[in-house]
Amino acid sequence: EAGVTQSPTHLIKTRGQQATLRCSPISGHTSVYWYQQALGLGLQFLLWYDEGEERNRGNFPPRFSGRQFPNYSSELNVNALELEDSALYLCASSGGRQPQHFGDGTRLSIL
Amino acid sequence: GNSVTQMEGPVTLSEEAFLTINCTYTATGYPSLFWYVQYPGEGLQLLLKATKADDKGSNKGFEATYRKETTSFHLEKGSVQVSDSAVYFCALSDRNTGFQKLVFGTGTRLLVSP
Repeated sequence: EAGVTQSPTHLIKTRGQQATLRCSPISGHTSVYWYQQALGLGLQFLLWYDEGEERNRGNFPPRFSGRQFPNYSSELNVNALELEDSALYLCASSGGRQPQHFGDGTRLSIL
Repeated sequence: GNSVTQMEGPVTLSEEAFLTINCTYTATGYPSLFWYVQYPGEGLQLLLKATKADDKGSNKGFEATYRKETTSFHLEKGSVQVSDSAVYFCALSDRNTGFQKLVFGTGTRLLVSP
């Protein structure tokens, strides 16, 4: 069974640009979660999508947004990038109330 | 609000030593508790879980018991290996916060030397 896949592995942007990160969940999982792992800040919950809708949102500004497609894959978009957005972005998926399974992440670096 | 507190790292041990990583939590409801492990350059892997008081989660020689009276979920292993070197995260999810949202501790780095 294929796990959660994320792309790209690394992404380098400059301040003010936009970044798009992608996530494919485990087959059969309908929920996708996004987390930010920034140095010194630990793992912070960003967004939760289920059945195509945003269900919950962490304490992040509106320039962090995303969507979930009919095949349950998901995109995370970060607009107007700032230096502090440099982090590892982790996607997780789950089915029902089962534990979340994580991908290997996208490392976003802002120059 | 809900929170998870882990012991500061790094924890440095010799191979075959006994491991304990402390984790305590604060939650308004009845959380499920998890330990995740992150190997260098990788995402998080679920190590074990417990969904109610007195449950013991176990996997790959690691164990943790859900202690409601002390609000703790300490991770233990009887004999660590070099391959166990990683960062370990304690986490909870609670219906009151939106069951599917995980709240993580800050992580504890484990270094095992031969």
